[in-house]
Amino acid sequence: GQNIDQPTEMTATEGAIVQINCTYQTSGFNGLFWYQQHAGEAPTFLSYNVLDGLEEKGRFSSFLSRSKGYSYLLLKELQMKDSASYLCAVMDSNYQLIWGAGTKLIIKP
Amino acid sequence: GAVVSQHPSWVICKSGTSVKIECRSLDFQATTMFWYRQFPKQSLMLMATSNEGSKATYEQGVEKDKFLINHASLTLSTLTVTSAHPEDSSFYICSARDRREYQPQHFGDGTRLSIL
Repeated sequence: GQNIDQPTEMTATEGAIVQINCTYQTSGFNGLFWYQQHAGEAPTFLSYNVLDGLEEKGRFSSFLSRSKGYSYLLLKELQMKDSASYLCAVMDSNYQLIWGAGTKLIIKP
Repeated sequence: GAVVSQHPSWVICKSGTSVKIECRSLDFQATTMFWYRQFPKQSLMLMATSNEGSKATYEQGVEKDKFLINHASLTLSTLTVTSAHPEDSSFYICSARDRREYQPQHFGDGTRLSIL
């Protein structure tokens, strides 16, 4: 079957760095996406990786290793507004998105 | 950037009413649109995949006669919740995928549906 695993909840301190991991097993692979979802709102797109390596976008970076079925989202200089759920999703061979359950990130002052 | 418009944002109505939700891709063509439902503190649940010009593909356990989907053009899909009941109250979110390869899904702002 298809499976996406990510931690349920993480806590970090304002100004610090946090890494959210995601491992996956899917039927085919056409890229991995990270989305941010604030409570009561729809998800917003953060990043997309289809090749191995690190993609940097401001305070957020995303890493992919296809051979290991592994990705992480790195958030630097954490701000209170970064408190949200972070969703990992893999596009399978049918171009369908397989979603992880999301990681709730709590930022403390 | 890509924009997906979803209307209405909020709906409060009586039990037995049918409710239509619209999802539009504003600056790209979407051959495929997706309808999700999310209950409080739970994950996104894919309800159905809507393909332009063909019948929608429903996920297991989703009643196709209850949740009618129409994808009549490359920029518009609609979800109609027929004869809605309180248990249908939820946050409904659409997303659209750009027809070009390797593009992410972009989400609408969601519709919060409350059935009294």
